[in-house]
Amino acid sequence: AQSVSQHNHHVILSEAASLELGCNYSYGGTVNLFWYVQYPGQHLQLLLKYFSGDPLVKGIKGFEAEFIKSKFSFNLRKPSVQWSDTAEYFCAVNAGSGYSTLTFGKGTMLLVSP
Amino acid sequence: SQTIHQWPATLVQPVGSPLSLECTVEGTSNPNLYWYRQAAGRGLQLLFYSVGIGQISSEVPQNLSASRPQDRQFILSSKKLLLSDSGFYLCAWGGTGNQPQHFGDGTRLSIL
Repeated sequence: AQSVSQHNHHVILSEAASLELGCNYSYGGTVNLFWYVQYPGQHLQLLLKYFSGDPLVKGIKGFEAEFIKSKFSFNLRKPSVQWSDTAEYFCAVNAGSGYSTLTFGKGTMLLVSP
Repeated sequence: SQTIHQWPATLVQPVGSPLSLECTVEGTSNPNLYWYRQAAGRGLQLLFYSVGIGQISSEVPQNLSASRPQDRQFILSSKKLLLSDSGFYLCAWGGTGNQPQHFGDGTRLSIL
């Protein structure tokens, strides 16, 4: 069975600081990888996804993530965070073929102070 | 465009009472549908998923059940709620092939 590990439960940054949220998964086969974001009081929404091709994927709002297959990692990055990035971030993975159920990490709560 | 609706947004129920949470999807046909429970610091736990009418798969044993009476309707139920059923419940659709899942706004369930 697949599992997802997010290293930090809480991260506090000042505006303009750089962000990197760690995500590691365990699954031996082909995977699809996702980062979801949940802003305060809002529903979960997709930030970015990786299926195949270029391992560096760019998402909305200046976020990007890099898939490193040898490390089973899919870390989320942003060069300069804003106060509006305060949210909870979830990494998720599913098996790469056919029908999919997502396995989520436990989430990382990011607080950006102005 | 596709939309997903969940209701109610908030629900307070006494222990031992029944439960029915409804989720409907518009703008797509034969979607995969999912029920998750989200707990602080524990991420999202998949409870049930459905690939078609009347087809329900349960991921974890629990006090809850799910039904799919129509193509775009997914219902989460319980005959007798327990305190441990409190939580935030999310419905989602999609996830076919390599497509992402799309989530509803969730239902905050409090059991007293």
